[in-house]
Amino acid sequence: QVQLVQSGAEVKKPGASVNVSCKTSGYTFTNYYIHWVRQAPGQGLEWMGICNPSTGSATYAQKFQGRVNMTRDRSTSTVYMDLSSLSSDDTAVYYCTRGLGYCSTFGCFPYYFDSWGQGTLVTVSS
Amino acid sequence: EMVLTQSPGTLSLSPGERATLSCRASQNVLNTFLAWYQQKAGQAPRLLIYTASSRASGIPDRFSGSGSGTDFTLTISRLEPEDFAVYYCQHYGTSQATFGQGTKLEIK
Repeated sequence: QVQLVQSGAEVKKPGASVNVSCKTSGYTFTNYYIHWVRQAPGQGLEWMGICNPSTGSATYAQKFQGRVNMTRDRSTSTVYMDLSSLSSDDTAVYYCTRGLGYCSTFGCFPYYFDSWGQGTLVTVSS
Repeated sequence: EMVLTQSPGTLSLSPGERATLSCRASQNVLNTFLAWYQQKAGQAPRLLIYTASSRASGIPDRFSGSGSGTDFTLTISRLEPEDFAVYYCQHYGTSQATFGQGTKLEIK
């Protein structure tokens, strides 16, 4: 069955960076996009960006541009999300999620998300 | 930028009752590109509905979605105990996916 397994919880200091991994299995890695969605404590869902596992290209939500980088390793069917210049506002559960979408010369555009990782809690505290 | 407003914020109902959740978009939703998710405490969201009215794989038929343009509805025909959770709508197909703020469905 489809599985997305994320790396474990992280505690970071303000100004630091965090790297979260998402290892996929149970389907053809290059047939679906991987998105990252975060959820601050007690809050709603926030889409961060989309990674195309086939080409490695990514498109980010405007809010995170310049601070986030999404990459993939086709040999291990794993997608990585790096977020830099962390502040307390970045304390959240970060989810990777499989979804459909499409890419053009203008970038990659998300559709809906049909399978989710278990989430990774990132705590930013001095 | 698309804004999705869900109502009510909290809905208190009893098992067996019918639940109607609303999602209103600030702009016309092209191609009815709207999805619904269920999230239980401590769990990741689960896809329920996509393209406004198509049920995702394995979702019971008591869940149904409807709507077009700017107004969309998720209906749960007869609430089961496991249905009490938070529900989110999501718009997609443009440069940014957008979620509503959620409706909490609680046991009365």
